[in-house]
Amino acid sequence: AQTVTQSQPEMSVQEAETVTLSCTYDTSESDYYLFWYKQPPSRQMILVIRQEAYKQQNATENRFSVNFQKAAKSFSLKISDSQLGDAAMYFCALTGTASKLTFGTGTRLQVTL
Amino acid sequence: NAGVMQNPRHLVRRRGQEARLRCSPMKGHSHVYWYRQLPEEGLKFMVYLQKENIIDESGMPKERFSAEFPKEGPSILRIQQVVRGDSAAYFCASSPLLQGGIAEAFFGQGTRLTVV
Repeated sequence: AQTVTQSQPEMSVQEAETVTLSCTYDTSESDYYLFWYKQPPSRQMILVIRQEAYKQQNATENRFSVNFQKAAKSFSLKISDSQLGDAAMYFCALTGTASKLTFGTGTRLQVTL
Repeated sequence: NAGVMQNPRHLVRRRGQEARLRCSPMKGHSHVYWYRQLPEEGLKFMVYLQKENIIDESGMPKERFSAEFPKEGPSILRIQQVVRGDSAAYFCASSPLLQGGIAEAFFGQGTRLTVV
């Protein structure tokens, strides 16, 4: 069985500052992908960033980057230069060869002026 | 290239009625997944389908829930005799067929079911 744990129910960051959201996971598979999804109030699930487990290099997408620690089974998301539009629920997710996604419980990010 | 289309966006049903949720995958995608999101929770996997086949239904409640993905037309998630606890957002995702490897899933906007 796969599990994903997000231990921060809520986080807050000031505009233009940097924030890191934590995620740990467990899987018995050697081939898997990790994702961060953003869910704004519109409920749309928006893919923020993805990481293939076989890649050692951490993925980056503009202001978003991950710290992937495979041995520790940790996959944190760093948001740099935070903007008001970054306020949302953020979900960490894991998929393996079974193709279905296992989600964490989410972290609600608030961005303050 | 249209994304994953779900309809309706909002559905209200009285207890005991049937709810039908539709999902049209992205063009070229042959895999469909259904997830349920209860209020203030993450998404939970329900079922994984390919055309005319249920691949994995390990997350589906044993009673009242069924899903299909026919050769023609959208995938349907059907909930019979709805109860208040079925109130949730139901998300559909689709992915392409890959020979080996892992495919990225693309999500629809969800259907919010409210049972009154």
